[in-house]
Amino acid sequence: AQSVAQPEDQVNVAEGNPLTVKCTYSVSGNPYLFWYVQYPNRGLQFLLKYITGDNLVKGSYGFEAEFNKSQTSFHLKKPSALVSDSALYFCAVRDLASGNTPLVFGKGTRLSVIA
Amino acid sequence: DGGITQSPKYLFRKEGQNVTLSCEQNLNHDAMYWYRQDPGQGLRLIYYSQIVNDFQKGDIAEGYSVSREKKESFPLTVTSAQKNPTAFYLCASRTLGELFFGEGSRLTVL
Repeated sequence: AQSVAQPEDQVNVAEGNPLTVKCTYSVSGNPYLFWYVQYPNRGLQFLLKYITGDNLVKGSYGFEAEFNKSQTSFHLKKPSALVSDSALYFCAVRDLASGNTPLVFGKGTRLSVIA
Repeated sequence: DGGITQSPKYLFRKEGQNVTLSCEQNLNHDAMYWYRQDPGQGLRLIYYSQIVNDFQKGDIAEGYSVSREKKESFPLTVTSAQKNPTAFYLCASRTLGELFFGEGSRLTVL
């Protein structure tokens, strides 16, 4: 079975400070990992993904994520937060060996960037 | 522009009524999905379809039904058997591993 955990319901950060949104996963084989962002009353937008290769993945809007196999983590990061980054962030995972099984999503982390 | 269109964006329903949410995509994707979103619960999979004329139940299929008669369309019917239908519903389609989402439909039962 595959699962993903986002241990923080809410993350608060001051504008200009670095931000981290945490994600840990569990799969039987190798993971296919994603981050999505959701603004109020909107659909989810793709930020970045990891399949293989470099452990540091760069995505949209200046976000990046670091894959750590030993800690089974895929934390989302940004060096300098903007007020406009305030949104709901979802981590998702699928086992690469599972064929076309659907992505499993975490419960989301609400990021609040304070001016 | 290519994308996924969900309609209506807002829908109100009386108890005991069935409602159908529309999802249309022009991305030529084979796979389509319906998720339900409730505050604090993330996204839960209702139904998905990998190909036309075939679909599978997700984690919370009870009280819902779908059809996939055309590649472009994957409507979701919320039946009167769904005990707590008030939620935000999201449709998505997939290419390779990545999901593309519509803007969602918010259903409120009065």
